[in-house]
Amino acid sequence: GAVVSQHPSRVICKSGTSVKIECRSLDFQATTMFWYRQFPKQSLMLMATSNEGSKATYEQGVEKDKFLINHASLTLSTLTVTSAHPEDSSFYICSARQTGYEQYFGPGTRLTVT
Amino acid sequence: KNEVEQSPQNLTAQEGEFITINCSYSVGISALHWLQQHPGGGIVSLFMLSSGKKKHGRLIATINIQEKHSSLHITASHPRDSAVYICAANSGGSNYKLTFGKGTLLTVNP
Repeated sequence: GAVVSQHPSRVICKSGTSVKIECRSLDFQATTMFWYRQFPKQSLMLMATSNEGSKATYEQGVEKDKFLINHASLTLSTLTVTSAHPEDSSFYICSARQTGYEQYFGPGTRLTVT
Repeated sequence: KNEVEQSPQNLTAQEGEFITINCSYSVGISALHWLQQHPGGGIVSLFMLSSGKKKHGRLIATINIQEKHSSLHITASHPRDSAVYICAANSGGSNYKLTFGKGTLLTVNP
């Protein structure tokens, strides 16, 4: 149980375009979803926390107009990278929480902006 | 703000060896997580614990709340255990955010 999926697993896009990444909890309802990014050889950096039906809470330094997060249902959150630039190339990971402190992580999405 | 420190940063072992990875944190926590990440891959949650000890197969995680310290042990290590192991702490509160250690890169040679 407690499976989180992400789609796509890899995406290559051109500079200036937008990319949407989906995060789904497959067998549970996620009260909270978290979005992280990870640069090579570095640890995860929390970008934002989203609760179903409410606006996401962004971490300091994360541009909310650039990284749009929608948590429309208890099983789906999306991250849209708008007007992507090469410096947005990274590994994006989501996690989902149902109750308590347990978090379940998705497999990640590798974004390459050319 | 909680600071999470892991040691060692890198660890190389021979197949069959007993492995220990350490994690210490600076403020009280509600839960501590041990995560595994294979190269280029996603993250797998190995353990979440708030006290005592947990065991799953060849993996054992312990936590000492008073000393603010946790350890992850791997018995009879195998090359497939090669991965980055990450310790992460929930400091409590309603936001459930995790503070991550920098990870320990484990390489188990055959």
